[in-house]
This record gives sequence, structure tokens and C-alpha cells, in this order.
Amino acid sequence: EAAVTQSPRNKVAVTGGKVTLSCNQTNNHNNMYWYRQDTGHGLRLIHYSYGAGSTEKGDIPDGYKASRPSQENFSLILELATPSQTSVYFCASGDTSNSDYTFGSGTRLLVI
Amino acid sequence: QQKVQQSPESLIVPEGAMTSLNCTFSDSASQYFAWYRQHSGKAPKALMSIFSNGEKEEGRFTIHLNKASLHFSLHIRDSQPSDSALYLCAVSHNTGNYKYVFGAGTRLKVIA
Repeated sequence: EAAVTQSPRNKVAVTGGKVTLSCNQTNNHNNMYWYRQDTGHGLRLIHYSYGAGSTEKGDIPDGYKASRPSQENFSLILELATPSQTSVYFCASGDTSNSDYTFGSGTRLLVI
Repeated sequence: QQKVQQSPESLIVPEGAMTSLNCTFSDSASQYFAWYRQHSGKAPKALMSIFSNGEKEEGRFTIHLNKASLHFSLHIRDSQPSDSALYLCAVSHNTGNYKYVFGAGTRLKVIA
């Protein structure tokens, strides 16, 4: 079954440390997205990619980098984590032929 | 930048009732409109979507879209306790390479 898998499920990081969130999809979708979800804000787009080797800035990219080394993998990198980046992060995949996103189960990140 | 707003923020309805959820958007050039449902602690899942003015029905769920009013809605007939969830509306400026802006969500509780 096609799926989007995120790792880790939970992460505690220290302020100033580097954090990498990983996402793998078996849907063979061209497009992948990183969102964060905070109460009162819904899902906000951080970075997205339309294919291997490409990344684009979303609506709230500051403090985040992204990497798409292959069709299947899309990473979100926090070089210098801050407490304001404490959130639940969702990865999603999608394709031009289908308007539906498939979301991963999320990564809960706590920065202390 | 696209703004997507949902109302109400939360809603409690009795089992069997009709539930109506609203979404407004700011970009009149928006092309695609969707609803996602997120049960507590789970990933959002695509529920329904629409791209042309009018109405679309799937089972107990109906979407209404009025582009001129910058408004679309989701109606749930015969609401069930299993419908209790966070409902997120989403708007994409593009079709094909969909890039959704999400609202903050409406939290629905259906009481048996």
C-alpha cells in the first residue's frame, strides 16, 4: 500500500542543535511537502519539492532548509533549533494527476 | 498572500444532525478547493474536493462552492460520533502541482 513514512515520531532537541526530520514515500509522487501544525494556525507550508533535486520555499521557510535527494525522500533540516520551532511536523506527497495529498503520521518536535 | 479562514472554530452537534462548516479565501484566482479530516493524534486525510462552482455530493458529505463569494462549505448529513474530528479546508491556486493553503480548522464533536 502506498504510504508516507516519517521519522522520528517524537524528538526532543536542545536549543541551538541541529535537527533532521525525514520523510519517505512509496507513492511514486513527484511532489512532496513539509507543513507544521500549531493550534490556531492549522497547517502552514514550510518547504516543498516538485521532484528530485528541487526544493522551493513555502510560506514560512525561515529557520528551515529542505533536501530532496531522490523521488522517495524529502528531509527538513533545522540547523539551529529554537523553542519557537516546537510543533508537529507533517510531510505529504502529491501528484499532478490527483489533487489529494497523502500525509505521514507526523513528527512531534520539542525544542528545549 | 492567500488567507483561508474557517468558521466556526468548534462545534458540538447531536447524533443525526446536519453539520455545516464554512471556509472563506482571499485569492479570487484560486482553482481548487478541498476538505481534509483529522482525527485526534492522526494524519489529515483527504475527504472531498471541488474545482467548479456548484455542489458535489459523496454519501453523507456535500461541498458547496461559490467562487464569486470566495466561500465554500462542507455539509455532513446524519452526523455520527465517528465524524468527530478536526476539519481543515484547503485552497490551491494551481491545479496540477497543487499547493494548498490550509485554514486553522473547525473542531467537530458529535454527541451520541
